[in-house]
Amino acid sequence: DIQMTQSPSSLSASVGDGVTITCRPSQSISSSLNWYQQKPGKAPKLLIYAASSLQSGVPSRFGGGGSGTVFTLTISSLQPEDFATYYCQQTYSTPYTFGQGTKLEIK
Amino acid sequence: QVLLQESGPGLVKPSQTLSLTCTVSGGSISSGSYYWSWIRQPAGKGLEWIGRIFTSGGTNYNPSLKSRVTISVDTSKNQFSLKLNSVTAADTAVYYCASSNDGSGDYWGQGTLVTVSS
Repeated sequence: DIQMTQSPSSLSASVGDGVTITCRPSQSISSSLNWYQQKPGKAPKLLIYAASSLQSGVPSRFGGGGSGTVFTLTISSLQPEDFATYYCQQTYSTPYTFGQGTKLEIK
Repeated sequence: QVLLQESGPGLVKPSQTLSLTCTVSGGSISSGSYYWSWIRQPAGKGLEWIGRIFTSGGTNYNPSLKSRVTISVDTSKNQFSLKLNSVTAADTAVYYCASSNDGSGDYWGQGTLVTVSS
C-alpha cells in the first residue's frame, strides 16, 4: 500500500491568512492526487483533483500543486468557512489511501 | 445531479455481517466511466478506503479487509452494496458510499453510522 503523510496534523490560522498543507506519498504517484475538505458531520468534498485541477464551484483561493512524491494544498486568504479538516488521497494504485488529515482551526 | 444514499442497519452484533446498500439517483449506475466505492471513518479518525466496483463487475478491495469484504452491484435497481463479515467493535464507523471517475466526477452519500455492539 502507498502510505500518505500529511503535515502538519493541525494548524491554527486567522481569517485572511494564507496556509499550505503538504502531502507526501511513500512512493511516486505521478499526479494522481485528490484533496478533500471535510466539516463535522458531513461527507468529504472534493476540492482539487489530478493534483492541481480545481473542482467546479470551488473558490479560486484554493490551489493544488506538486507531482511525484510531494504535493501541496494552498489556501490563499482564509475565509471563516474554510476552517475544517483536509485530506489528501492518492488514486495511483489501489487501495486508494488517504492522508491522516490536517485540522485547520481558527486562531 | 447524482445523489447517493446509504441504507442498512445501524447496529450489528459482533461476529455477524454488516450489510449496507447505496441507492443512486439522478444518474445511471451503468455509466461506464464511473466506479462505485465504500469508504469508512471511525469517530474522530481519518478516512479508510474499503473498496470499489465497476459496473462490469470488477472489484478492488483494501487488503486489510479483503478476506471479509464483498462489494456487489445491482444495475436493475441502480444500487450497489457492501457486506463485511465477522465484524468486531473496530468496524464501528460512519460508512460512506461514493462514486468517482478519477477526475472531476466525485459524489458521496451523507454517510451512515454503523455500531458493532451486543
